[in-house]
Parts: sequence; structure tokens; C-alpha cells
Amino acid sequence: AQSVTQLDSQVPVFEEAPVELRCNYSSSVSVYLFWYVQYPNQGLQLLLKYLSGSTLVESINGFEAEFNKSQTSFHLRKPSVHISDTAEYFCAVITNQGGKLIFGQGTELSVKP
Amino acid sequence: DAGVIQSPRHEVTEMGQEVTLRCKPISGHNSLFWYRQTMMRGLELLIYFNNNVPIDDSGMPEDRFSAKMPNASFSTLKIQPSEPRDSAVYFCASSLAPGGIYEQYFGPGTRLTVT
Repeated sequence: AQSVTQLDSQVPVFEEAPVELRCNYSSSVSVYLFWYVQYPNQGLQLLLKYLSGSTLVESINGFEAEFNKSQTSFHLRKPSVHISDTAEYFCAVITNQGGKLIFGQGTELSVKP
Repeated sequence: DAGVIQSPRHEVTEMGQEVTLRCKPISGHNSLFWYRQTMMRGLELLIYFNNNVPIDDSGMPEDRFSAKMPNASFSTLKIQPSEPRDSAVYFCASSLAPGGIYEQYFGPGTRLTVT
């Protein structure tokens, strides 16, 4: 079975500072990895995904994540955050054979001015 | 495209009443998922359908919960009888691929409060 651990439940950070949201996964087979973002009172939106190929993937709003197979991690980073990045971020994993998308518990990113 | 549509957006009901949540997936998507989100348990997958057929309902908490997908453009999640511990935000999501290997598109959710 697969599992996902998001190591930080809350991450407070000042505007324009860098941020890293950590995600580790466990699986006995190859996986696909996702980061979703949930803004207040909204549904989840896909931020970025790793399916294959380059281990560094980027989103259109400046986030990036790197798939590290040896460390079974998929940490999310942004070099300079904005107030509008305040949201909850979910890491998720699914095996390459399909099945359930397993979500982590979420990390609440709070960007302060 | 209008995206995944859920109704109602908010539902307040009394314990023991029947509650029906509705979902219209994105046109052309062949997989549909129902999730429940609470502070205590996070995001839980309740059930998912592929081509209108339930594939995995192991996340459905108990017999009070039932879900149907009579056609490719409509699904319901029913709770009968409802209990206060069912209070949560219920999300519907749809995807082009079985099991959601590719992106799942989420609806805005239904916030259910059972008093």
C-alpha cells in the first residue's frame, strides 16, 4: 500500500521569503506524484505533477517540485512567496497501475506581509 | 467548460434526516470520485466510479452512505439517516483516466452540517 507524509502541518512565512513544503511517500511500486492547492472555501486544484521524465517539475505560478526516488520525496518549493499563495497544499501519490490517489494530511501555508 | 458542478453548496439538516448530494462531472470524463474532508481525518476517498460502475467503495464509512451514478453526467451521494459526525465538506472530482492517474478536477464542495 502507498502512503504520503507531509511533515509540516503549518508553515508561516513572510512575503517574498522562500518556502519549502515537505512531502515523503512510501510505495513498493513506481508512482506518480502530485501537488494540489486548496484556497479557502474552494475545491482542490492541481498545482503540478510528476509522471515521468525530468525529475524537476514546475507550475505556472513559480512553484517547483523535485522527485527524488532515493529519498522517496517530492518537496514543493518557491523562491519568493506572495500573500496570494496563502492556502493549504496537499501532496498525493498514485501507483503507475492506477487505483486510489492517496493524499497527505495537508500543509497550511500562511504568508504574512 | 463549467468544471465539476456540485449542489447544494451548503446543507444544514437535523440528525436522522436523509441528505442527497449531487455532482455533475466534466463532460467526457469517465472516472468520478467522492471525497470527504474534515479537520480530524483530512481528505478521504469514499468511492470512485469508472464508466458509471463503482470500482472501489471501501472508503464508504457505513451502510448509511450510498452512491449512485445512473449515467455519465450525474452522480449522487446519499446519507440516510444522517448523524452529526457526518458533518464535513464533501467533494466530487472527475478524471479522464481510470483511477485518476492523470489530473483529477475537483468541484467546489458541499459543506454539510448535521445538527
